Amino acid sequence: SAVISQKPSRDICQRGTSLTIQCQVDSQVTMMFWYRQQPGQSLTLIATANQGSEATYESGFVIDKFPISRPNLTFSTLTVSNMSPEDSSIYLCSVDSSDFSTYNEQFFGPGTRLTVL
Amino acid sequence: GENVEQHPSTLSVQEGDSAVIKCTYSDSASNYFPWYKQELGKGPQLIIDIRSNVGEKKDQRIAVTLNKTAKHFSLHITETQPEDSAVYFCAAAGGFKTIFGAGTRLFVKA
Repeated sequence: SAVISQKPSRDICQRGTSLTIQCQVDSQVTMMFWYRQQPGQSLTLIATANQGSEATYESGFVIDKFPISRPNLTFSTLTVSNMSPEDSSIYLCSVDSSDFSTYNEQFFGPGTRLTVL
Repeated sequence: GENVEQHPSTLSVQEGDSAVIKCTYSDSASNYFPWYKQELGKGPQLIIDIRSNVGEKKDQRIAVTLNKTAKHFSLHITETQPEDSAVYFCAAAGGFKTIFGAGTRLFVKA
């Protein structure tokens, strides 16, 4: 399994500002994923980030709102831009085992709990 | 599109009783079915998974069953303990896509 850390663990932000969330993995992985989990809800995939290429966004999510960086094989950032209260969620970083398995075992970071006032 | 339905949304059991959570999926290409436990303030943790070539898997007090024909899979927790209280998510994965269920909030009453 992979050990994933995220910073910050939580933050309270004012509307109109931006927050960058960092994700660090203890091993090199090709694919990293960013999920959003709204209060009491399931996990929704925002985008998939591969090192050396632009992130692939899911329907309903756009790069201008959620820019992602993937500078190397162990690190990624997600920025939540021009925040509104509707962006209040837990944001989760994830990796899977596709580098060494035919099955998509996914491992999650502890999450970043964002509250927008 | 592909989806995963999970029931019940909330489950309350007495300590020592069994808990069963059921999921159905729509994508025939799904071949991997993990279950995650999410405790308050934490990210989801993989607790057990089952692959499409087996029908049942057990790990101590938890077991999963898979019926590929009916596209059903279930999580069974026996001898529940208060520390089993959490939100449980099922998921169906195939290729690079993982679809999560809506979650089941399990309460184990002491």
